[in-house]
Amino acid sequence: NAGVMQNPRHLVRRRGQEARLRCSPMKGHSHVYWYRQLPEEGLKFMVYLQKENIIDESGMPKERFSAEFPKEGPSILRIQQVVRGDSAAYFCASSPGDSYGYTFGSGTRLTVV
Amino acid sequence: ELKVEQNPLFLSMQEGKNYTIYCNYSTTSDRLYWYRQDPGKSLESLFVLLSNGAVKQEGRLMASLDTKARLSTLHITAAVHDLSATYFCAVDPTAGGTSYGKLTFGQGTILTVHP
Repeated sequence: NAGVMQNPRHLVRRRGQEARLRCSPMKGHSHVYWYRQLPEEGLKFMVYLQKENIIDESGMPKERFSAEFPKEGPSILRIQQVVRGDSAAYFCASSPGDSYGYTFGSGTRLTVV
Repeated sequence: ELKVEQNPLFLSMQEGKNYTIYCNYSTTSDRLYWYRQDPGKSLESLFVLLSNGAVKQEGRLMASLDTKARLSTLHITAAVHDLSATYFCAVDPTAGGTSYGKLTFGQGTILTVHP
């Protein structure tokens, strides 16, 4: 069991470019969550997805950010036209569903230059 | 809006000493998590506390939950250098119902243990 896999681990983008972050949940987990951690802060919830459905996106900025979890393949967090303020660590977590316990991935550290 | 506050935010300890980290939260919940994070790493799950009065221990760490006071504590006994890390509590705003993974995290406590 490889755990929650995120890639890339580090991503550098110039202002105005697009960033795509990928998350493959643990085997058997059908629920995926994205969190953002700004420097020296706690994690902030962004979005909760199940296969082909967005369940709760109340933490997502209204513009430039989108997320999907297709029937096949990993979950993708997409940030269009990145700005310096998007620089952060983005963590994905997964769970098997209606139970407690979340497993976090190693995160993607996005740097916007 | 659910607020989760940890204190202290910075904790410098000597090896062998005891200390407690506090986690206060502002709404009803019966699920609380403690995580450890090393610099540049992911979050490692330490404890899941699911009911009032829950107490869990692992090695030198012990966590408890008082849902009536909306307070959780993480107690460190006889600290060692390997415990140096950032510790987060996270509250799942669910009272007996389905959890939606919308954890609200505290600010984190940076623990440094000195020889």
